[in-house]
Amino acid sequence: DAKTTQPPSMECAEGRAANLPCNHSTISGNEYVYWYRQIHSQGPQYIIHGLKNNETNEMASLIITEDRKSSTLILPHATLRDTAVYYCIVRGGYGQNFVFGPGTRLSVLP
Amino acid sequence: GAVVSQHPSWVICKSGTSVKIECRSLDFQATTMFWYRQFPKQSLMLMATSNEGSKATYEQGVEKDKFLINHASLTLSTLTVTSAHPEDSSFYICSARAGERREQFFGPGTRLTVL
Repeated sequence: DAKTTQPPSMECAEGRAANLPCNHSTISGNEYVYWYRQIHSQGPQYIIHGLKNNETNEMASLIITEDRKSSTLILPHATLRDTAVYYCIVRGGYGQNFVFGPGTRLSVLP
Repeated sequence: GAVVSQHPSWVICKSGTSVKIECRSLDFQATTMFWYRQFPKQSLMLMATSNEGSKATYEQGVEKDKFLINHASLTLSTLTVTSAHPEDSSFYICSARAGERREQFFGPGTRLTVL
């Protein structure tokens, strides 16, 4: 079973920041938080991952709370092409697999 | 990010035939490859994990004799759906990971339709 909880759907206006929350209250010390997204009929695309510090790359920012029980993925300026299902996944060591939950369906509106 | 390709991107076959799907890591050596299946409006479900040169490890409920996985090199894994039936119609996605990296990169998927 997935170790994360996400809202099933969200909407965001084009050009605005999209903030996608994820709860992972049972996360353990060696588990990382990963974010992927899946655009319709394509394979999942890696976005970002982190352990406890906030992370930023060219696609997004990841904010992890101090207790690590939740995180937020931020798309700073959402575009229509960001419409996708976003998956928040918690995973520990290399031997563990990614378990996909239902994710959040983000709709970016014009 | 690293690139993973799949071939074919879609395939239609008759019931009872076998279909082979290839997964390649194009710019890195994939020590571990994963095969997922995704039915419409559902999330990805892991089918099996394979390490180069070893037998694949299948998830509970996945028939190893029906879904044959070969990971013969560090850049290629194949999934063969044997004696396919309409209920095997699905979106099959492979994923690859290099031993020293935490990210797992996914292929574009293969849509299988069994008539």
